[in-house]
Amino acid sequence: AQKVTQAQTEISVVEKEDVTLDCVYETRDTTYYLFWYKQPPSGELVFLIRRNSFDEQNEISGRYSWNFQKSTSSFNFTITASQVVDSAVYFCALRPSTSGTYKYIFGTGTRLKVLA
Amino acid sequence: DSGVTQTPKHLITATGQRVTLRCSPRSGDLSVYWYQQSLDQGLQFLIQYYNGEERAKGNILERFSAQQFPDLHSELNLSSLELGDSALYFCASSVVVDGELFFGEGSRLTVL
Repeated sequence: AQKVTQAQTEISVVEKEDVTLDCVYETRDTTYYLFWYKQPPSGELVFLIRRNSFDEQNEISGRYSWNFQKSTSSFNFTITASQVVDSAVYFCALRPSTSGTYKYIFGTGTRLKVLA
Repeated sequence: DSGVTQTPKHLITATGQRVTLRCSPRSGDLSVYWYQQSLDQGLQFLIQYYNGEERAKGNILERFSAQQFPDLHSELNLSSLELGDSALYFCASSVVVDGELFFGEGSRLTVL
């Protein structure tokens, strides 16, 4: 089965706190891609990061960092020193690549509320 | 601005009616995807086209249909609308089949 699980439905933090959003995926494919998207209250979906299954290097972009661990099938997203503008729904997605499917599979999202 | 254009942004219609949502992908992107997002729901994959051909189908109802035209724009047709079809419909495009999706701003459909 191909599946993405974001067990945290909603997280609330106070501004400047660090927060980690969890993403666990399932796939039998040996090659796949993982993504994170942000959906702010305005509704659009904004691409944040793409990671392929052969690249387990963690990535940092400003206050954002991603921890990819194939051993635990996880691709977690950490926001350091959160800000109110980080309030949004965050989606993790999986794109299997070897099974012939052309689907991107999204998790159900984690709603992050950053309180001033 | 993702470069993906969706029209209309908002649409209010009645049950039983038919609507057409339009999407223009980013310049050069051959793949177009349609997703449905109901209130407080995740993104449900509907259908994907690549260079005019249907590539993958998700949970798309028989009342819904889509196509991608030679100029690569795509249309999603929703017919015999029901209250439950009220949702945000997203179009996304990608330059390669494994690339990141770039989403339009969505078309918010309200069925009364």
